[in-house]
Amino acid sequence: DSGVTQTPKHLITATGQRVTLRCSPRSGDLSVYWYQQSLDQGLQFLIQYYNGEERAKGNILERFSAQQFPDLHSELNLSSLELGDSALYFCASSVQGGSGNTIYFGEGSWLTVV
Amino acid sequence: GESVGLHLPTLSVQEGDNSIINCAYSNSASDYFIWYKQESGKGPQFIIDIRSNMDKRQGQRVTVLLNKTVKHLSLQIAATQPGDSAVYFCAEMGYGQNFVFGPGTRLSVLP
Repeated sequence: DSGVTQTPKHLITATGQRVTLRCSPRSGDLSVYWYQQSLDQGLQFLIQYYNGEERAKGNILERFSAQQFPDLHSELNLSSLELGDSALYFCASSVQGGSGNTIYFGEGSWLTVV
Repeated sequence: GESVGLHLPTLSVQEGDNSIINCAYSNSASDYFIWYKQESGKGPQFIIDIRSNMDKRQGQRVTVLLNKTVKHLSLQIAATQPGDSAVYFCAEMGYGQNFVFGPGTRLSVLP
């Protein structure tokens, strides 16, 4: 158990809908990362937050957004969902956000768009 | 741009043999590297890390080697067991960067 908690574990929704994925980082970790993993792609970095503020942005679509709250948990919002958004979404956390800080992953949220 | 890649997408080894999983990286400024293990349906699990001021680091049954000259990273697993079957990812990070993950190598342990 990495200490990173993600909910829901599985989610099935229809195209055009909106979902919210939630992440609680490890105790003491200030930085949260979101990754997308599809069958035909590896781990794609979406976005990083550090202590409530956006730190870095990767290949995140405009239909997607995220935030980190004062209690350090984070949410990833996916809207206008398309079939291609079906993937495993991982949250990870680290103590800080710089190089040398190991990131620990949650078990992921399986999103299926039908 | 920066990239991390793997030489072999799949690797099959006999139980009890040693496994070597390789990884190439392109950003010479990367100074921190991690190997992750991902079992089916689970999140990537930290295995071992190494900083650029080292060329070797050992853990329990695992060793990571870093060759900065040729920008190559490898993970050695001793006495491979069925429970080692998984996809292994290498990841690199440098100052001002985020982790860049390779595509992964699937390790299959044969009985």
